[in-house]
Amino acid sequence: EADIYQTPRYLVIGTGKKITLECSQTMGHDKMYWYQQDPGMELHLIHYSYGVNSTEKGDLSSESTVSRIRTEHFPLTLESARPSHTSQYLCASSDRQQSYGYTFGSGTRLTVV
Amino acid sequence: QKEVEQNSGPLSVPEGAIASLNCTYSDRGSQSFFWYRQYSGKSPELIMFIYSNGDKEDGRFTAQLNKASQYVSLLIRDSQPSDSATYLCAVGPSGGYNKLIFGAGTRLAVHP
Repeated sequence: EADIYQTPRYLVIGTGKKITLECSQTMGHDKMYWYQQDPGMELHLIHYSYGVNSTEKGDLSSESTVSRIRTEHFPLTLESARPSHTSQYLCASSDRQQSYGYTFGSGTRLTVV
Repeated sequence: QKEVEQNSGPLSVPEGAIASLNCTYSDRGSQSFFWYRQYSGKSPELIMFIYSNGDKEDGRFTAQLNKASQYVSLLIRDSQPSDSATYLCAVGPSGGYNKLIFGAGTRLAVHP
């Protein structure tokens, strides 16, 4: 079944650790996105990609980085986690025309202690 | 002025009533419009999309688009407590290929 997958679902990690949040989709979508969302707050776009080897920063400044080496895979990395990075991270994808909007993964809830 | 505006709510309606959620947008050339439902702690899920002026119905949900007035609305008939969630409006700007712009969402509470 075509879908978008995020792992891990929950992550508690110590300050200063390097972490990678995984996102993979099996829908053949060209476009992929990372959003950050605090509880009860709006979505903030932090990174997006329109294809392999194409990545851009979003509207919200973030200390994270992303890569897009394969169409289906769009991991997000934090080199040194801080408590201010505690949030929910949502990955999404869409076809080139965004005909059906974005499909979101289940999210990763990150807690940095 | 935000590009996509929604009343944050909460919008409180009794069970069985019609819930009306509204969204206005600033880009007159916007071409596509989406409504997402997001339960607390979960990710957004698409419930409706509309491209043309007028109404589009899907079960208990009706999306209404008025491009001249630059608003899109979502009606939920026979509201159920399970409809209690935050509803996000998203707009595809002019050009058709640019990123969707999301509103901040309206929180809906359906009480028995």
